[in-house]
Amino acid sequence: DTEVTQTPKHLVMGMTNKKSLKCEQHMGHRAMYWYKQKAKKPPELMFVYSYEKLSINESVPSRFSPECPNSSLLNLHLHALQPEDSALYLCASRRSAEETQYFGPGTRLLVL
Amino acid sequence: QQQVKQSPQSLIVQKGGISIINCAYENTAFDYFPWYQQFPGKGPALLIAIRPDVSEKKEGRFTISFNKSAKQFSLHIMDSQPGDSATYFCAASGDTGRRALTFGSGTRLQVQP
Repeated sequence: DTEVTQTPKHLVMGMTNKKSLKCEQHMGHRAMYWYKQKAKKPPELMFVYSYEKLSINESVPSRFSPECPNSSLLNLHLHALQPEDSALYLCASRRSAEETQYFGPGTRLLVL
Repeated sequence: QQQVKQSPQSLIVQKGGISIINCAYENTAFDYFPWYQQFPGKGPALLIAIRPDVSEKKEGRFTISFNKSAKQFSLHIMDSQPGDSATYFCAASGDTGRRALTFGSGTRLQVQP
């Protein structure tokens, strides 16, 4: 089983809203990632968690706040987003001793 | 992140033909090169991957060719089918940076019946 689940599938929010994206995997993977993908573009790395600790933050604005409460769950908290933040947000995970990342289906976010 | 360059941007192939997508990288610290397939509205799915100690890897109709000295690698899809119509991304990662993927710009493949 190589399933990464993400909820919600779609999200529409106003610029003053606070919302959260959720990512879950039960494969025992200890590395988890958030990527942002704009239309017709490749995914771009946002954050990397390794053993529940934030390892990499690719200079992402503070209106995006990641959280890894346990080894199976990764959240992305959203606050005061801008319309240009509208994108597909992808979560991925990887077993520590391996290279392969497995992606979830993504959350399509629209900021009005 | 070091760049990975991918070409062509789009590709139209007849059913049964061969689709070829090329990528080039700069960072010699990269040691893992996957290809992902993405359908509209879906997340990327791993197709096939290669490490630089081999020059070719084949899985079914999909083959990766790797040229370490030229820092290039390519995906060949044999007997292309309409169901292969999707966007393909090459990517690379290294042992540093927690194996974060650096993606190519993507190739939109259309296989005509």
